[in-house]
Amino acid sequence: QIVLTQSPAIMSASPGEKVTMTCSASSSVSYMHWYQQKSGTSPKRWIYDTSKLASGVPARFSGSGSGTSYSLTISSMEAEDAATYYCQQWSSNPPTFGGGTKLEIK
Amino acid sequence: EVQLQQSGPELVKPGASVKMSCKASGYTFTSYVMHWVKQKPGQGLEWIGYINPYNDGTKYNEKFKGKATLTSDKSSSTAYMELSSLTSEDSAVYYCARLGNNGIAWFAYWGQGTLVTVSA
Repeated sequence: QIVLTQSPAIMSASPGEKVTMTCSASSSVSYMHWYQQKSGTSPKRWIYDTSKLASGVPARFSGSGSGTSYSLTISSMEAEDAATYYCQQWSSNPPTFGGGTKLEIK
Repeated sequence: EVQLQQSGPELVKPGASVKMSCKASGYTFTSYVMHWVKQKPGQGLEWIGYINPYNDGTKYNEKFKGKATLTSDKSSSTAYMELSSLTSEDSAVYYCARLGNNGIAWFAYWGQGTLVTVSA
């Protein structure tokens, strides 16, 4: 199965700061999807097909990448963005998720 | 509006089994497979498998074969997952989830999760 490795595992950012987190795949994938999860709640769809924002996701979020390297970027950190972000692939079975990047606000 | 309503938390003893439910509404139940995902405390997400309510066809992650059994009831639009021979490794939140409407292979809709605690 394809292993997704997210880095960093934990990070913090100040309001207004640019944030970038990465997701590395053990084999090439066609697309990467991202979810946001806040404590005690279900994951929420966030970015799909590498770079498309789900409905309601602020435009300060963006996604990019190809092959084995993908990233999620926040252009200007806001307090509400503090959460854990997971990447997910289904280019091959089984679908797999990364271990998550926990983003905290400074 | 698509909604997935899961059953409540379970406290079960080691070696026992547990069956949880996921009631779907807001769409035609038999038109979409239902997936199940495991999340251990403070950890990432693992795909368990799915059931196709239309024909009761199932597909499992190899890791969960023999551990999880997926079923569904069309009459009540409810999917079920039973976990057997429980150990502490099975203590986790279990989510049901559905793909989106446009064929994208991501989990657009999630239940609120069922917390399973395995303890004597």
